[in-house]
Amino acid sequence: AQSVTQLDSQVPVFEEAPVELRCNYSSSVSVYLFWYVQYPNQGLQLLLKYLSGSTLVKGINGFEAEFNKSQTSFHLRKPSVHISDTAEYFCAVRPGNDYKLSFGAGTTVTVRA
Amino acid sequence: GAVVSQHPSRVICKSGTSVKIECRSLDFQATTMFWYRQFPKKSLMLMATSNEGSKATYEQGVEKDKFLINHASLTLSTLTVTSAHPEDSSFYICSARLTGLAGESYNEQFFGPGTRLTVL
Repeated sequence: AQSVTQLDSQVPVFEEAPVELRCNYSSSVSVYLFWYVQYPNQGLQLLLKYLSGSTLVKGINGFEAEFNKSQTSFHLRKPSVHISDTAEYFCAVRPGNDYKLSFGAGTTVTVRA
Repeated sequence: GAVVSQHPSRVICKSGTSVKIECRSLDFQATTMFWYRQFPKKSLMLMATSNEGSKATYEQGVEKDKFLINHASLTLSTLTVTSAHPEDSSFYICSARLTGLAGESYNEQFFGPGTRLTVL
């Protein structure tokens, strides 16, 4: 079984400041890793994913994440946030031999002017 | 491409009635769809895996007679909440896994916009 821990439940940040959302996972098998964003009353949109290859993954809207196998982490970063980045962010994993996603509890990012 | 729709987006019903939620993959085939439930300020909880042409696979603790799933075609899965009660009020989200023309599967799940169910 897999589990995902998002270390920060809420992250307030000022506009144009950098942000980092932390995600750690545990799994007995190799996994694929994902970050999703959810705007109020909407479904999930994929920001980026790590399947294999380079551990630094770039996604949409200026986000990037780095897979660290030794630390079992997949932290999400953005160097300069906008008001429109205010949303809920979910880290998710799934094993390589299954398609069921396991989600973290989510991190609420609130960007202030 | 890879758009998933859900209908309705919002539904309010009386306790004891049944509600059907549709999940459609608009521009791709999906032999597998997933149904999630999300409580306020909480993460997504996988309820069941919907397989085209066969019975759904339910996660532990999810009542299959309460949440009926039908995946009758490669583009449509339905979730019916039977005899709904106020505790069934939630945000229900589906996702679909893209299946290629040759039957190959892809890694990504595409999510629908969700359905807000309120049971009075």
